[in-house]
Amino acid sequence: NAGVTQTPKFQVLKTGQSMTLQCAQDMNHEYMSWYRQDPGMGLRLIHYSVGAGITDQGEVPNGYNVSRSTTEDFPLRLLSAAPSQTSVYFCASTPSRFQETQYFGPGTRLLVL
Amino acid sequence: AQKITQTQPGMFVQEKEAVTLDCTYDTSDQSYGLFWYKQPSSGEMIFLIYQGSYDEQNATEGRYSLNFQKARKSANLVISASQLGDSAMYFCAMRPSWRNQFYFGTGTSLTVIP
Repeated sequence: NAGVTQTPKFQVLKTGQSMTLQCAQDMNHEYMSWYRQDPGMGLRLIHYSVGAGITDQGEVPNGYNVSRSTTEDFPLRLLSAAPSQTSVYFCASTPSRFQETQYFGPGTRLLVL
Repeated sequence: AQKITQTQPGMFVQEKEAVTLDCTYDTSDQSYGLFWYKQPSSGEMIFLIYQGSYDEQNATEGRYSLNFQKARKSANLVISASQLGDSAMYFCAMRPSWRNQFYFGTGTSLTVIP
């Protein structure tokens, strides 16, 4: 199993550009989520999905869109990048048993100039 | 609402010594899981240890143990015999049994001194 994969690993954008961060998992987990990590703030939930076709907002959703057309894929779209979106982005996939850990992707480092 | 608090932004420990990283949580749920993750400078999130709210014994995984005090709502991570490779950020997280969502603390940066 590849687990959770994310692409790209690094990205530099100019203010106003759009892009999509890709996330895929091969563990057949229904629940997937996107976090951003900023210094001193831990991981903050952006959006999550409880299954194909179902998404919802997390703590910091503004400026981001998601969709979930398949169980495997959960892309995150930045509609019009802003310097405040400079961050490290993690995708995670979660088993249904609450005793089990989330599985994280390797992260995407995004710099918005 | 769920809230995870890690009050130690940075910690230092001498190599081969033990260190305790603090974590307190606030929840009205009775059934939940507590997790600790390590994030080295390379950036990946590494799962370390899990404790269930109904587990009577403290969890242990090799050099990691979780000092779970349910009444105090604390779940401190104890690392024994620290190694240089333990230098990293450490995050505490909680997951209610009725939700798939994880709640994270702000992390503690641990530096192991030779």
